[in-house]
Amino acid sequence: DGGITQSPKYLFRKEGQNVTLSCEQNLNHDAMYWYRQDPGQGLRLIYYSQIVNDFQKGDIAEGYSVSREKKESFPLTVTSAQKNPTAFYLCASSIYRRAETQYFGPGTRLLVL
Amino acid sequence: AQSVTQLDSHVSVSEGTPVLLRCNYSSSYSPSLFWYVQHPNKGLQLLLKYTSAATLVKGINGFEAEFKKSETSFHLTKPSAHMSDAAEYFCVVSRGSQGNLIFGKGTKLSVKP
Repeated sequence: DGGITQSPKYLFRKEGQNVTLSCEQNLNHDAMYWYRQDPGQGLRLIYYSQIVNDFQKGDIAEGYSVSREKKESFPLTVTSAQKNPTAFYLCASSIYRRAETQYFGPGTRLLVL
Repeated sequence: AQSVTQLDSHVSVSEGTPVLLRCNYSSSYSPSLFWYVQHPNKGLQLLLKYTSAATLVKGINGFEAEFKKSETSFHLTKPSAHMSDAAEYFCVVSRGSQGNLIFGKGTKLSVKP
């Protein structure tokens, strides 16, 4: 089955710790996206990548970093600089330059201990 | 700049009655508009999209939306609610040439037996 997988489902972060959220897709999509979802806020774009080895900041990139070394993988690191990391994180992918139809993963919920 | 406003944060209906979820948009040019649905603790799924063809757009699960330029609206409707429709719904506009998406804050739909 084609789709997007995100792991882990739940992730706990200690103060001052960096954590990495995994996102993998087997849809052969060129573009991938990371969103943050907070209650009553909708989804906000963190980073996106249109092709391998290239990515751009979204609306709320501060405190986050990404890499895109492989077409199928787009990991997101939440750094210690992100002071309010508790949220639901969603990864998505789309055909190159067809961002209007994005396919979403099941999400990772990040909690701070 | 493009934006969407979902007019209700929460809508409650009885099973078998009509559903109306309201969305207004702002765009400096003819927009591409979408509705996505999110069931609890899940990723998002595309319900329907408007891309300047027919103004009445039919989606999955019996939902449809009408693009009204004069009212800058893109309301989502369904003639008869089902218990399985209980979810959060997001109105979305495409961000222009980049193609990235801007999400509304969401409307939570509750369906009473």
